[in-house]
Amino acid sequence: NAGVMQNPRHLVRRRGQEARLRCSPMKGHSHVYWYRQLPEEGLKFMVYLQKENIIDESGMPKERFSAEFPKEGPSILRIQQVVRGDSAAYFCASSPSTGGQYFGPGTRLTVT
Amino acid sequence: SQELEQSPQSLIVQEGKNLTINCTSSKTLYGLYWYKQKYGEGLIFLMMLQKGGEEKSHEKITAKLDEKKQQSSLHITASQPSHAGIYLCGADRGSQGNLIFGKGTKLSVKP
Repeated sequence: NAGVMQNPRHLVRRRGQEARLRCSPMKGHSHVYWYRQLPEEGLKFMVYLQKENIIDESGMPKERFSAEFPKEGPSILRIQQVVRGDSAAYFCASSPSTGGQYFGPGTRLTVT
Repeated sequence: SQELEQSPQSLIVQEGKNLTINCTSSKTLYGLYWYKQKYGEGLIFLMMLQKGGEEKSHEKITAKLDEKKQQSSLHITASQPSHAGIYLCGADRGSQGNLIFGKGTKLSVKP
């Protein structure tokens, strides 16, 4: 059973470009969470999704950030018009209905 | 405000020594998770504790959750260099399932 997969592992974008981060949950997991880890800071929750539904987006910045988890395909975290402050490691976790969150290897976004 | 406090922030131990990392919450927790993170990598799930007084062990690592479900400890017996990394506790407050995390404890093990 493959673990949570994220791609790309590393992403470099210039200021103003768009970043798309993908997450494929573990087989059988229907819950996806996105977290952000800024340099020298802890891991912070961003958004919680189930298939075709956003359950909790209380941790998402109000502008430029969006997330989806379509019926088919991976979950996508999209950042429009990236700024240097968006540089961070973005982690996806998936969970079965019984609980427990399993994390992917992360995508390290660098904005130049 | 930071709801989960981890201590110590960093720890250097000699190989073979035992050590304990603590995680404290100001509020009762629905569940408590321990993860290990190597620098530049993802989080490795270690253990999940949900019941007051619960204790779980895996190889040389033991995690406990107190009766009030506000404090957890992670104990490593006979530490090895492979135990080095950042240990994170994450708490499930039972609302929407998302976790809040402590700032982590950086463990170094000297051979």
